[in-house]
Amino acid sequence: QQQVKQSPQSLIVQKGGISIINCAYENTAFDYFPWYQQFPGKGPALLIAIRPDVSEKKEGRFTISFNKSAKQFSLHIMDSQPGDSATYFCAASRVYGGATNKLIFGTGTLLAVQP
Amino acid sequence: DTEVTQTPKHLVMGMTNKKSLKCEQHMGHRAMYWYKQKAKKPPELMFVYSYEKLSINESVPSRFSPECPNSSLLNLHLHALQPEDSALYLCASSQDDQRGSYNEQFFGPGTRLTVL
Repeated sequence: QQQVKQSPQSLIVQKGGISIINCAYENTAFDYFPWYQQFPGKGPALLIAIRPDVSEKKEGRFTISFNKSAKQFSLHIMDSQPGDSATYFCAASRVYGGATNKLIFGTGTLLAVQP
Repeated sequence: DTEVTQTPKHLVMGMTNKKSLKCEQHMGHRAMYWYKQKAKKPPELMFVYSYEKLSINESVPSRFSPECPNSSLLNLHLHALQPEDSALYLCASSQDDQRGSYNEQFFGPGTRLTVL
């Protein structure tokens, strides 16, 4: 119930292509779905996030698509660039004990964008 | 200032040593978190402090002891660690406005810990 399943585990995309990473969850109490980007030797950084009251959110080249009935969400990276090469984690969260947020992370996707 | 800083960047310690990790933020956040991340794995939550009080302990062994001296500082005291505790230790902070709304977690760069 607390798991977030993420696929694929790794992804190779040509420069200019579209990268797509998928996540699925079980717990319908989750109400916030962020995506984090992590470069080697760095901490995760929030990339984009969505609430379940919208089906899509776009920020620049990054788009989250959200399907509440299927309990799935995905990250699309348009015009992928070598600088996008990193590990991407989806996550789900709910307010815990008042206001403290507990993030449940997916297993991660290692993206390599080839020049 | 939207930065969470962590010191040291790297730490090597023996199983009998006592050491501490330090985390600092000056964003006025009232929730602070410790995560452990093994290679090629997602971060795993260890502890959460809300308004300087421990609110979540994810059944972490007692050889890890968190401390929140004030709203800007978070420490993790380490004692009698095992080699399997070697990992990247991440600190994060969030607003925690206690209105039931989600607040973004900002992560630090982490401390790379090696236990010999």
